[in-house]
Amino acid sequence: AQSVTQPDIHITVSEGASLELRCNYSYGATPYLFWYVQSPGQGLQLLLKYFSGDTLVQGIKGFEAEFKRSQSSFNLRKPSVHWSDAAEYFCAVDDYKLSFGAGTTVTVRA
Amino acid sequence: NAGVTQTPKFQVLKTGQSMTLQCAQDMNHEYMSWYRQDPGMGLRLIHYSVGAGITDQGEVPNGYNVSRSTTEDFPLRLLSAAPSQTSVYFCASSLTTPGAGIYEQYFGPGTRLTVT
Repeated sequence: AQSVTQPDIHITVSEGASLELRCNYSYGATPYLFWYVQSPGQGLQLLLKYFSGDTLVQGIKGFEAEFKRSQSSFNLRKPSVHWSDAAEYFCAVDDYKLSFGAGTTVTVRA
Repeated sequence: NAGVTQTPKFQVLKTGQSMTLQCAQDMNHEYMSWYRQDPGMGLRLIHYSVGAGITDQGEVPNGYNVSRSTTEDFPLRLLSAAPSQTSVYFCASSLTTPGAGIYEQYFGPGTRLTVT
């Protein structure tokens, strides 16, 4: 069965600094991969998705993610964080059902 | 489009009570699902449906029932609430089924349930 690991439970970053969130998956074939964001008290919103092709995927809100098959990783990045990026971020893999990682909470300090 | 709507937003139940969490979507999506979200565990799939009249169990189905009589609605029933069912519940829908190719799940705003 597939699994998704997000090694960082909580990350604190200064506004304007870069952000990288890690995601590792365990899956036999090339997976469909997603990053979702959940703002406090809200539902989940899709940031970006990877199905095939270019391994660098652009998403909404200035986020991007890179699929690295050799490392079984799909890390999320943003060059310059805004205070509104404070949220919980979930990586997910699709194997005929969507499996989520435990999430990474991002705190942005002024 | 309203997207995916859920009611109620908040609910408090006593142990042993039953209730139904409502979910509706107006995007004509075939696939609908229910998740529960607990701290440190991400989202776990409870039940899902690939179309009207077809439902199946997910990862954590015990204590919950679902039905899908229409494309639009996918209610989740708690048969006899237990404190372990205290959680935030999310309904989601998508045009196609997972694994079937390009698809994206749209999530409702969630229902926060407390069982005392």
